Amino acid sequence: DAKTTQPPSMDCAEGRAANLPCNHSTISGNEYVYWYRQIHSQGPQYIIHGLKNNETNEMASLIITEDRKSSTLILPHATLRDTAVYYCIVRVPPRSNYQLIWGAGTKLIIKP
Amino acid sequence: DGGITQSPKYLFRKEGQNVTLSCEQNLNHDAMYWYRQDPGQGLRLIYYSQIVNDFQKGDIAEGYSVSREKKESFPLTVTSAQKNPTAFYLCASRKSSGSTDTQYFGPGTRLTVL
Repeated sequence: DAKTTQPPSMDCAEGRAANLPCNHSTISGNEYVYWYRQIHSQGPQYIIHGLKNNETNEMASLIITEDRKSSTLILPHATLRDTAVYYCIVRVPPRSNYQLIWGAGTKLIIKP
Repeated sequence: DGGITQSPKYLFRKEGQNVTLSCEQNLNHDAMYWYRQDPGQGLRLIYYSQIVNDFQKGDIAEGYSVSREKKESFPLTVTSAQKNPTAFYLCASRKSSGSTDTQYFGPGTRLTVL
């Protein structure tokens, strides 16, 4: 199973873009990269996922490098409500139980 | 509104007592999951169920039991055999769409064993 590495914490100023990196150097060709976030004492919330191409939705953008060994989640205009722990997860291939392997994530603090 | 509900939000029990945590979903998802989260840590899988009347152990199933008699419901029992049950428990269900899948989480139950 591909593992991920994220910085334990980051700060970002309100209104600026927050760029959260993730390394997944052992990712295999059919594994997707998922991003979730967890606001304190709540259940995690799905943000975005991707395989090879860059993806964008109403919450964020996901940039995956050409070799797929790393990715960056971008929150374009961070607000105080974006303060949370952000998890980068590589999905285990379909033959298994669709288990998501969760690391400790990056604690993102948005400062006024 | 579709979603996942967990109850209660906070639960206190005495050591040695079994306790059952509720998880209900009205999203019509086939798969459901139970995770445990300790302070400052990521989620760890306890049990999962891909279909009614079927479930499998996750990474930390010892001391826990589940049932899946209905598609909408996946209760978790924390037994007295679980040595360190105080934790935040999260239930999720999975939507599958083609080759990708996304998990949707409930608000969690914080269990404290005194």
